Amino acid sequence: SYELTQPPSVSVSPGQTASITCSGDKLGDKYASWYQQKPGQSPVVVIYQSFKRPSGIPERFSGSNSGNTATLTISGTQAMDEADYYCQAWDSSTGVFGGGTKLTVL
Amino acid sequence: EVQLVESGGALVQPGGSLRLSCAASGFTFSSYWMHWVRQAPGRGLVWVSRINSDGYSISYADSVKGRFTISRDNAKNTLYLQMNSLRAEDTAVYYCARDAYNSGWFDPWGQGTLVTVSS
Repeated sequence: SYELTQPPSVSVSPGQTASITCSGDKLGDKYASWYQQKPGQSPVVVIYQSFKRPSGIPERFSGSNSGNTATLTISGTQAMDEADYYCQAWDSSTGVFGGGTKLTVL
Repeated sequence: EVQLVESGGALVQPGGSLRLSCAASGFTFSSYWMHWVRQAPGRGLVWVSRINSDGYSISYADSVKGRFTISRDNAKNTLYLQMNSLRAEDTAVYYCARDAYNSGWFDPWGQGTLVTVSS
């Protein structure tokens, strides 16, 4: 079965750039989406179709996808960005999520 | 306002059954594919099932295939998940989510409903 691999945790200082990777076989040939989940809340999409940003999502969130790796980049990271982040893609008609990355802003 | 409200979560014994509902409002429900996604306590998101807009195209995760059934009633703007032969590992918060533009990404998500499988 298809798998997406994320680092369990990423730390970043306020104002710096955070990069969260998501690896999967030929992931660059698929669309990836990214979801932010804060404690006790439902997930919210921050990037869809690998690099598109939904309305209402700050410009500091961006995405890329090439080869076997999709990347979520948060520029000028703020304390409010501290959350769990999940990548997601489709393997035929089956949805797959990465294991999630806890972003700590310290 | 687009809104999804799940209900039906409960404590159920192993081997038991449960039906979850997801009431949709604020959009034309019959035009959108819908999904169920679950999250075990302290764990990550896991996609469970998907149904297309008219209910004739359905897919499941291997872990629930043959035990869970997704369905929808477009007249009632409601999505369902019938869960049979429940196992302890099915314990999770179950979210319904709209497939935005039927393009494979989820927006929005409901608030979730907790299913606990335990004796």
